[in-house]
This record gives sequence, C-alpha cells and structure tokens, in this order.
Amino acid sequence: KQEVTQIPAALSVPEGENLVLNCSFTDSAIYNLQWFRQDPGKGLTSLLLIQSSQREQTSGRLNASLDKSSGRSTLYIAASQPGDSATYLCAVRIMGFQKLVFGTGTRLLVSP
Amino acid sequence: GAVVSQHPSRVICKSGTSVKIECRSLDFQATTMFWYRQFPKQSLMLMATSNEGSKATYEQGVEKDKFLINHASLTLSTLTVTSAHPEDSSFYICSARSGGATDTQYFGPGTRLTVL
Repeated sequence: KQEVTQIPAALSVPEGENLVLNCSFTDSAIYNLQWFRQDPGKGLTSLLLIQSSQREQTSGRLNASLDKSSGRSTLYIAASQPGDSATYLCAVRIMGFQKLVFGTGTRLLVSP
Repeated sequence: GAVVSQHPSRVICKSGTSVKIECRSLDFQATTMFWYRQFPKQSLMLMATSNEGSKATYEQGVEKDKFLINHASLTLSTLTVTSAHPEDSSFYICSARSGGATDTQYFGPGTRLTVL
C-alpha cells in the first residue's frame, strides 16, 4: 500500500527565506508526482507535476525534484513571500492506477 | 487551463436529510471523476472513483449506500450524502481526469458540508 509522508508538518519562516518541503513515498512504482497548494477552506491549486521519467520541474520561484529510486521529492521555494502561506500537498499517482495518494501536508506560514 | 466547478460551495443541513453535491468539468470531457473528503487540518482521502456510464468504485471503508455517486454524463458527476449525520460534516472535493496527452486531474473548489 502506497503511503505518502510530508515533513515538516508545519513551518514558519520570515519573509525572504529559501525553504524546502519534503515528500516521501513508500512504493517507487509511480506514474507521476504532483505538488499542490491549498489555501484555508479552498480547493487545490496544482503547482508542479513531475512525470516518473523526469528529475525536476520549475515554475517561477518553485522547483520540484524527484528521486524515484529513493522515494523522495522536494519542493524548493525561493525568496518566500507572505502570499506563499498555505498548505502544500504532494500526491503520487500509482503506476497502473488513476487515483492519487495524497501526503499529509505541510502548513507554511511566511511572516512579513 | 481546465476548469472544474462544484455546487454548492457550502451547505448546512439538518441531521437525517440528504444533500447532493455537483461536480462539473466546464471545458473538457471527463470520463473519470474522483470524490475526496477532507477533515480539518488533514489531507485528502479518496472516497470513490466515478466512471461515466458505470458504477462507481468505492475505497475501503466508504459506505456506498450512504454516499451515492452518479456520473451520468462526461461533464457531470454528483455525490449524494444520504441521511446525513454530524459526523458527515466535512470538506468534499471532486476532481476530473482530462485524459489525452496531459492525463492529469483538475480539482474543484470544494464543498463545505455542515450537518446540524
């Protein structure tokens, strides 16, 4: 059974810091991995999607890496801003299945 | 980008009543839709996978007679919470699979259900 864990569960940083969010999964047979952002009481916003054959994806200040063999992904946020405050979720799509398995989430607070 | 809507965005109902939540893919056809629930400060848990024109596949521990799912068209899936109780209060989120080259899921904005 695929299990997805995110560390840390919560993170509080001052504005301007670079930070790393971690995601680990137990079964390396994945189709892709996706990072989402969720604001309180809202749905999900897709940030980055990495196919299993890829090593990383970048969008603006965000960079996500994938090491499938070790079952790990990181989301790097450069020059954090208060507007980045949200919960960040990673999710893996298991090979041969359509459904996503979500991680436990990291609640990020960036203070001015 | 692909857009998925949910209606209503929030609903309050009395215990024992049934509530229907709609999920629509606005600009693409979705052969598969997914229903998730999320408790406060917890992650999303998949409830069921809904394929157009066939019965939904429910995850272990999800009561299919309580959470009725209908996927009658390529752009609409509905989740009906029957005989709702306070413990059914949660945030329900749907997603729709686009298929094709991108083959990704697009998520709706969620529905907050409160059962009194």
